[in-house]
Amino acid sequence: AQKITQTQPGMFVQEKEAVTLDCTYDTSDPSYGLFWYKQPSSGEMIFLIYQGSYDQQNATEGRYSLNFQKARKSANLVISASQLGDSAMYFCAMREGREYGNKLVFGAGTILRVKS
Amino acid sequence: GAVVSQHPSRVICKSGTSVKIECRSLDFQATTMFWYRQFPKQSLMLMATSNEGSKATYEQGVEKDKFLINHASLTLSTLTVTSAHPEDSSFYICSAKTPQGGVLAEAFFGQGTRLTVV
Repeated sequence: AQKITQTQPGMFVQEKEAVTLDCTYDTSDPSYGLFWYKQPSSGEMIFLIYQGSYDQQNATEGRYSLNFQKARKSANLVISASQLGDSAMYFCAMREGREYGNKLVFGAGTILRVKS
Repeated sequence: GAVVSQHPSRVICKSGTSVKIECRSLDFQATTMFWYRQFPKQSLMLMATSNEGSKATYEQGVEKDKFLINHASLTLSTLTVTSAHPEDSSFYICSAKTPQGGVLAEAFFGQGTRLTVV
C-alpha cells in the first residue's frame, strides 16, 4: 500500500492566488512526521515545512501552511499569494517512528505551474 | 538549516566506467547520511543509509556491489556507481542527519547529481 499519496500530478494557479496541494498518508504508528519539499528544475530539494503527529496546531512558515487533518490522514500544503518562482515539483514525505534517523518516504509529487 | 553539499552536480561517463559522487556535511558532523535515487518525473527512492565507520544499509532491491557506499569520515560519504550502464542514468541526491537530532535531523538535502551514462 502507498504510504504517501499525492493525487494531483499537476496543478495550475494564477499568480497571487492561493493553491492547495493534496497529500494523504497511511501509517499505524502513532508517532510520525510529515514534510513538504519543493524541487525546482535544478533538482535541489528545498525543505518547506514540517508537521509532527502530536503537534496541536497546523504548521506555518511564511506563505506556506499545512492543513493537518489527523483523522483523515491528510496533510495538505497551502501556498498563499502564489509567485512565479513557486513553479516547481512539490513532494510530501513521511517519517515514521520516534527514532529520528528513520528514512523519509516520498509521494509521487505534484507539478505546480504559476501563471502570470 | 544544515548545509549539505554534493559534488559533482552533473557527470557524464562512458558505459562500463565507474563514477564517484560525494556528499559532504559542511557545518556539522553527520554519523548518518542517506542516498536517494530519482528517475525523471518520478519520486525519490531511498537507496541506502550510510553510517560512519560501518557498512551501509541497503534498501531491498538495491545492488550493494553496484552502488558502493563509503562513509569514511564524519563529514563525507561517497557513492560509487561501478561499471555504469545507461540504465543507471538518474538523479542521485543525499541527505545528512544532524547530530543534535530533533524532528528535522535528516530533513536537509544536497544539491543532487545528475548522472548520464553514454
